[in-house]
Amino acid sequence: NAGVTQTPKFRILKIGQSMTLQCTQDMNHNYMYWYRQDPGMGLKLIYYSVGAGITDKGEVPNGYNVSRSTTEDFPLRLELAAPSQTSVYFCASSYYTVWSSYNSPLHFGNGTRLTVT
Amino acid sequence: TQLLEQSPQFLSIQEGENLTVYCNSSSVFSSLQWYRQEPGEGPVLLVTVVTGGEVKKLKRLTFQFGDARKDSSLHITAAQPGDTGLYLCARNAGGTSYGKLTFGQGTILTVHP
Repeated sequence: NAGVTQTPKFRILKIGQSMTLQCTQDMNHNYMYWYRQDPGMGLKLIYYSVGAGITDKGEVPNGYNVSRSTTEDFPLRLELAAPSQTSVYFCASSYYTVWSSYNSPLHFGNGTRLTVT
Repeated sequence: TQLLEQSPQFLSIQEGENLTVYCNSSSVFSSLQWYRQEPGEGPVLLVTVVTGGEVKKLKRLTFQFGDARKDSSLHITAAQPGDTGLYLCARNAGGTSYGKLTFGQGTILTVHP
């Protein structure tokens, strides 16, 4: 089982460049998320999606955009890269219905390490 | 923002020692999840605790949810080098914000052989 797959694993950007972080899951999960992890800061939610065509902001959405055209894919777009966006980015997914527990676990990818210089 | 405070931030111990990691909040939470993250990988769920006073065991790991549901702890007995990693607690952001987990800053555990 592939689970949640993120590409690329590493990327170096110059200030002002743009890029898209790819995320795909094969578990038919309806919820998908993007988190960033800075050293000693835990994980902060950037954007999340409850299903295809529906996205919403998390704690730190500024400088990012997302789209969810299919259940499987949830790309994260950085339009004008800034040094403050140097971080490790994690995509995650989970399955939720009104009849399921709200404690459904998140399944994470292995992350994309991004450096902006 | 409902903060989760984890302590200690760093823990370096010898193989065979016991340890406890704490996760505290100023507000009540309905449930709490513990994740473990190894270098270069994403976090993996260890356990979810839901009921105040609940204790769950996972081999040498014991998880406890405080009676008032404002705190939780993770106790590892006879730690092994394979337990090395980042331990994160997480709670739902509240209300109908399912899946908007708020994470603590994590505890980095190093177990030396």
